[in-house]
Amino acid sequence: AQSVSQHNHHVILSEAASLELGCNYSYGGTVNLFWYVQYPGQHLQLLLKYFSGDPLVKGIKGFEAEFIKSKFSFNLRKPSVQWSDTAEYFCAVYTGGGNKLTFGTGTQLKVEL
Amino acid sequence: GAGVSQSPSNKVTEKGKDVELRCDPISGHTALYWYRQSLGQGLEFLIYFQGNSAPDKSGLPSDRFSAERTGGSVSTLTIQRTQQEDSAVYLCASSLGPQGRRPQTEAFFGQGTRLTVV
Repeated sequence: AQSVSQHNHHVILSEAASLELGCNYSYGGTVNLFWYVQYPGQHLQLLLKYFSGDPLVKGIKGFEAEFIKSKFSFNLRKPSVQWSDTAEYFCAVYTGGGNKLTFGTGTQLKVEL
Repeated sequence: GAGVSQSPSNKVTEKGKDVELRCDPISGHTALYWYRQSLGQGLEFLIYFQGNSAPDKSGLPSDRFSAERTGGSVSTLTIQRTQQEDSAVYLCASSLGPQGRRPQTEAFFGQGTRLTVV
């Protein structure tokens, strides 16, 4: 069965710092990859997704992620975070083998002024 | 509707009572998920419905939990004889589904039902 690992559970950054959140999955076949974000008091919403093609995908609010197949990774990046990026971030993978969307445990990001 | 709708938004119940949580997915979405979100536990997969296929129930934590999806649309998650450890936010999500030449597996989430067992 597929699984998703997010290595950083809590991250605290100052505004303008760069962000990279790790995500690794375990599945050898074709995958669809996602990052979701949950702002305080709000529902989960899609940040970006990868299905095929260019492994560097860009999402909303200046976020991007790179799919590295050889490393089974899909790390999320942002060059300069803002206070409003404070939220919980979830990596997710969909595989035909597991036939469902599996989430990591999430990373709580706090951006300080 | 425009999005995934869940009801009730909040539910407080006494230990031992049964509860039903409802999810209205986006019209036309064939796939429907239930997840549970507890503090510090991330998103725990519960059950997955895809079209007319048998649901994937592998995430249900005990036989007190069950779910059905009627007519391929509305879903109900039932928890019998609730326990305090069942307190969590229960999230429903739907997607167009994996079938077709351009499968759309992106999931859209509802606001969730916050269940508190006292």
